Amino acid sequence: GAGVSQSPSNKVTEKGKDVELRCDPISGHTALYWYRQRLGQGLEFLIYFQGNSAPDKSGLPSDRFSAERTGESVSTLTIQRTQQEDSAVYLCASSLLRRTDTQYFGPGTRLTVL
Amino acid sequence: GDSVTQMEGPVTLSEEAFLTINCTYTATGYPSLFWYVQYPGEGLQLLLKATKADDKGSNKGFEATYRKETTSFHLEKGSVQVSDSAVYFCALSDQASGGSYIPTFGRGTSLIVHP
Repeated sequence: GAGVSQSPSNKVTEKGKDVELRCDPISGHTALYWYRQRLGQGLEFLIYFQGNSAPDKSGLPSDRFSAERTGESVSTLTIQRTQQEDSAVYLCASSLLRRTDTQYFGPGTRLTVL
Repeated sequence: GDSVTQMEGPVTLSEEAFLTINCTYTATGYPSLFWYVQYPGEGLQLLLKATKADDKGSNKGFEATYRKETTSFHLEKGSVQVSDSAVYFCALSDQASGGSYIPTFGRGTSLIVHP
């Protein structure tokens, strides 16, 4: 079926505004992850959803960041009162819930905060 | 906790040269090991993986062998091409306490191949 999709692909916003990023995982994938990738850097884990269990929010950098997921479907990552240091590519990935399973990544949303 | 260490880049090679990107890991359990590749302007995609000791993952001429005794998963290719220029991420997946699977990624190694 279709891969992981993310929208928008690019988002330019002004400092202080709120933004909402969307991720559509592969159908049937129980696990969903959000990562942040700053320019030239590695992946920074943000949050993990596992089925109907409480999400693991241990990677969220501040209380301005939050995320929701509806069942095993769409997820949204919200950043409130954006700051310039929030500028990055935000990647979403989904997988089945086994040790051996591959993560399938979306193309990312490039966020620029002016 | 789990961790992945990979060699820093950039790695710069001429076309047809031999490539090695080192990756070592620490894990409390028995992880699966992965190499992901990120081509310029694209998202990450799986390159290869190995799920148990001594397994060899291979794809597109790249290989990596799961070495439990040395906790390593080095990526190799015998003859690189310009089109292999990308950032390569080593990662592991293990079941944490509580049953979650949050993969651990290395910082990435940039490969630049010149004609």
